[in-house]
Amino acid sequence: QKEVEQNSGPLSVPEGAIASLNCTYSDRGSQSFFWYRQYSGKSPELIMSIYSNGDKEDGRFTAQLNKASQYVSLLIRDSQPSDSATYLCAALKSGGYQKVTFGTGTKLQVIP
Amino acid sequence: NAGVTQTPKFQVLKTGQSMTLQCAQDMNHNSMYWYRQDPGMGLRLIYYSASEGTTDKGEVPNGYNVSRLNKREFSLRLESAAPSQTSVYFCASSLQGANSPLHFGNGTRLTVT
Repeated sequence: QKEVEQNSGPLSVPEGAIASLNCTYSDRGSQSFFWYRQYSGKSPELIMSIYSNGDKEDGRFTAQLNKASQYVSLLIRDSQPSDSATYLCAALKSGGYQKVTFGTGTKLQVIP
Repeated sequence: NAGVTQTPKFQVLKTGQSMTLQCAQDMNHNSMYWYRQDPGMGLRLIYYSASEGTTDKGEVPNGYNVSRLNKREFSLRLESAAPSQTSVYFCASSLQGANSPLHFGNGTRLTVT
């Protein structure tokens, strides 16, 4: 079992719709969770961080965390073609060092 | 504001050649990391450095060595490149602390023939 699992997609949504990206993690010691956006040929770019159960909103993005279910999600409202990218979920466990484990990413395609 | 700077951007090596990938950050971060990214495999940690003077192996360290030259710089060396090391390499840095995300450099695309 991978430590952080994501559906590889592609997830196709029409422009203006809500895109829902999901992630599960296996290490209950994970403390913080991050969503990165990665355009083809580019480096991962941090878009959301979430540390406690519940929802966190930032503009069109909402991150949701449920530690009991070991589940993290990212909602993108009013999806735009420019949102088409691969979205990486990451889980952080702090200890001797910042152990950050990444999922393999979900490819999102927003259809104009 | 440069953030995390990696050099070179692209490199082609022949099997058996050596090279060093350079990384520098100007964010006063304590921790630095080297990842490789391969299709279908995601980002895998090669080595990390929690602070100046310390380095430790990650998930896939074989064939690599690292040096944390000072707080700013963390280099990755391939002593004898193999085709299996063809990948995109990312350097990242972070503050220490449970809520500190990684910040990535622009990556080095390495091809070993």
